[in-house]
Amino acid sequence: GESVGLHLPTLSVQEGDNSIINCAYSNSASDYFIWYKQESGKGPQFIIDIRSNMDKRQGQRVTVLLNKTVKHLSLQIAATQPGDSAVYFCAEKIHGSNYQLIWGAGTKLIIKP
Amino acid sequence: KAGVTQTPRYLIKTRGQQVTLSCSPISGHRSVSWYQQTPGQGLQFLFEYFSETQRNKGNFPGRFSGRQFSNSRSEMNVSTLELGDSALYLCASSLAGWEVGTGNTIYFGEGSWLTVV
Repeated sequence: GESVGLHLPTLSVQEGDNSIINCAYSNSASDYFIWYKQESGKGPQFIIDIRSNMDKRQGQRVTVLLNKTVKHLSLQIAATQPGDSAVYFCAEKIHGSNYQLIWGAGTKLIIKP
Repeated sequence: KAGVTQTPRYLIKTRGQQVTLSCSPISGHRSVSWYQQTPGQGLQFLFEYFSETQRNKGNFPGRFSGRQFSNSRSEMNVSTLELGDSALYLCASSLAGWEVGTGNTIYFGEGSWLTVV
């Protein structure tokens, strides 16, 4: 079945460096992708989204890249800070589906001082 | 502006019991969806309500049900609890409904931690 997966369950990054979190999806009919951040004990928090007609979208310190050819999504965080420590989830929406996001298992980002 | 509020935050139930969780969406939001999150797993979609109507349902057994009231508040119920139902149950609300991808950001609550013993 369709799935959204993450290459690395845990990512350790030095404070100040850039972080890249990857996500693979398998459904070519997906037309919207979204990244969420979940800190310990809290609900997921929206970070950034991208539609399938785009390759790149930038936010504040974050950039999402979409490669439809290889069905790959990435989240780049610039100048990683301790507050970026969290689990990051990618999710996809399949075109035509009624408000049902398919979520990945998550990647835990650890910031080393 | 208050966020999505879920109650209770923590609860422990015994196998075979039933449980009701409550969610108050952000004021003005009419869509409420529910997710189950277990350790090491992503979010599993349960169902979504809009204007008191269930518009979409995930692949969960009939023991899982929900409803939405005229003020957009929502409840979900799990009957005949099983150990595997232990999870964080998240509620999310959005302004207009399912038009995900058009700037209709989904906001999550802090969740209700359910432990079944």
